[in-house]
Amino acid sequence: KNEVEQSPQNLTAQEGEFITINCSYSVGISALHWLQQHPGGGIVSLFMLSSGKKKHGRLIATINIQEKHSSLHITASHPRDSAVYICAVLHSGSRLTFGEGTQLTVNP
Amino acid sequence: NAGVTQTPKFRVLKTGQSMTLLCAQDMNHEYMYWYRQDPGMGLRLIHYSVGEGTTAKGEVPDGYNVSRLKKQNFLLGLESAAPSQTSVYFCASSSRQGIREKLFFGSGTQLSVL
Repeated sequence: KNEVEQSPQNLTAQEGEFITINCSYSVGISALHWLQQHPGGGIVSLFMLSSGKKKHGRLIATINIQEKHSSLHITASHPRDSAVYICAVLHSGSRLTFGEGTQLTVNP
Repeated sequence: NAGVTQTPKFRVLKTGQSMTLLCAQDMNHEYMYWYRQDPGMGLRLIHYSVGEGTTAKGEVPDGYNVSRLKKQNFLLGLESAAPSQTSVYFCASSSRQGIREKLFFGSGTQLSVL
């Protein structure tokens, strides 16, 4: 079993839909990152959180440390949100383990 | 402010050839990392550096060497390339707090070893 598992692996939505991507992990962590990988390959850091909830524009990230689970929500999705979303957990002091990513496609 | 710059963007090597990937950052970051990304797998750490003149092994260091002679540059070397090293390579950097802070990534290097 991978230390970090994301679901779904692939997600297709219509423009305007509310989207949720999930990340579950099996180790104790001190923080979690959400990253976005553009179709061209570039990776951008979206959030780093260790508790509660963070919001930036239409993106919301939540984490429940006790349940070992985090979610990334996108409200009013748009085709430009199409990308791979990657969850990464910080554990064992300074080790960062990445999930395989969720491919999101938002159709107009 | 260019952020993190990787060169080259693409490279094709024959088995046994050597090459160096260059990562440069202009944010005065202490921490720098080299990752590889393969289909069906998450990013995996090859080597990292916590400051000028220091390097350390990550999850998958075999077949790679690194150097951090200047704070702004982190070089990844392949002395004798193998087909198993075909991958997309990403450099990243972060501030003095290390990976507890936001990560900044380069645009990636697509490497094919024939």
